[in-house]
Amino acid sequence: GDSVTQTEGQVTVSESKSLIINCTYSATSIGYPNLFWYVRYPGEGLQLLLKVITAGQKGSSRGFEATYNKEATSFHLQKASVQESDSAVYYCALSGMSNYNVLYFGSGTKLTVEP
Amino acid sequence: EAAVTQSPRNKVAVTGGKVTLSCNQTNNHNNMYWYRQDTGHGLRLIHYSYGAGSTEKGDIPDGYKASRPSQENFSLILELATPSQTSVYFCASGHTGTGGYEQYFGPGTRLTVL
Repeated sequence: GDSVTQTEGQVTVSESKSLIINCTYSATSIGYPNLFWYVRYPGEGLQLLLKVITAGQKGSSRGFEATYNKEATSFHLQKASVQESDSAVYYCALSGMSNYNVLYFGSGTKLTVEP
Repeated sequence: EAAVTQSPRNKVAVTGGKVTLSCNQTNNHNNMYWYRQDTGHGLRLIHYSYGAGSTEKGDIPDGYKASRPSQENFSLILELATPSQTSVYFCASGHTGTGGYEQYFGPGTRLTVL
């Protein structure tokens, strides 16, 4: 089936340090999925952070980057220098090539940035 | 001006009771979705709709019904609520088409079934 795996449930990083949140996917029925990172900041709703719909391309937003690696079936989220305001829950997700754009989510990674 | 709103925001129900969760969107999107989120899981799709009058089953539809009476409104109905349906429920809306369109989420409804 189609699924997304985030191996880290919680990550703690010191401010100004680098971050990587791992995401791998399986898209056996979809083939060429669209890939997303969503974020939920404390007290706020789920919102799109970035997306990439073409293999090999990189998406970026708010200092975060993720590259669509079709060979490794990965879409890791990276940031060179995190800030306290980045503390949130991050979800990797994929959708297929249908008009319905149904999303399949990973289990989420809670990021805590310590001062 | 929140584009996707949900009501109620919190609900306590009794086992065997009927629960209706409501969602309204002002994005004029054709597609609407209901997800639930539980600890250790990401959001999981319950039902979705591609327009007024349509409902489709998602990955975990058992115990839930959905209703889409208009473009703007999409309801999730638990006819006989059970404690296993205690969860946080999210509604979302999105465009139709194959362009990798994102979804826009409501704030969530926390449901507790006692």
